[in-house]
Amino acid sequence: EAGVAQSPRYKIIEKRQSVAFWCNPISGHATLYWYQQILGQGPKLLIQFQNNGVVDDSQLPKDRFSAERLKGVDSTLKIQPAKLEDSAVYLCASSLGDTSKAKNIQYFGAGTRLSVL
Amino acid sequence: AQSVTQLDSQVPVFEEAPVELRCNYSSSVSVYLFWYVQYPNQGLQLLLKYLSGSTLVKGINGFEAEFNKSQTSFHLRKPSVHISDTAEYFCAVSMDTNAGKSTFGDGTTLTVKP
Repeated sequence: EAGVAQSPRYKIIEKRQSVAFWCNPISGHATLYWYQQILGQGPKLLIQFQNNGVVDDSQLPKDRFSAERLKGVDSTLKIQPAKLEDSAVYLCASSLGDTSKAKNIQYFGAGTRLSVL
Repeated sequence: AQSVTQLDSQVPVFEEAPVELRCNYSSSVSVYLFWYVQYPNQGLQLLLKYLSGSTLVKGINGFEAEFNKSQTSFHLRKPSVHISDTAEYFCAVSMDTNAGKSTFGDGTTLTVKP
């Protein structure tokens, strides 16, 4: 079974530039998550999709961050304009999304490491 | 709101020694608890999970954890560690109302020395 795919693996940009990350979840997984992991901290949820609808985006800085999952499969996360404090690893995860406890396990991609200079 | 505290940011240990990584959580509702491992430049991998039932949970790579509701803890243990266990370990909690949304601790770096 293929895992969660993310690209690019690394990205270096200057502040005020824009950047986009791509995620392809495990086939059949209805729920997709984007996390931000700042160095020395645990991942923080930015946004959660159920199919192509947003379930939770309470911690997404909406003035500069946006995300979409138009066809309910892959997703893009965009930052525009980037700030120095956006330097982090951006992790994508997916789960079956079933409300049954045993099935709602998250599988993580390897992440995209963003450096903002 | 839920929160997770990992009590040790770094744990050095010698190879073949036992180890315990401590995790405390706070939540006003029923929770699910998880431990993940993250190797350098990789994503998170699930080690084990507590959903319900037996409070002693066994996971991959010889790890186990015990859910203690009265102490709101979910400590991770391994009786004998290997060099390959060197990694970052994260404790996470989610509520049963949205099992997929997890709150993570800040991680514990386990360093196994020869």
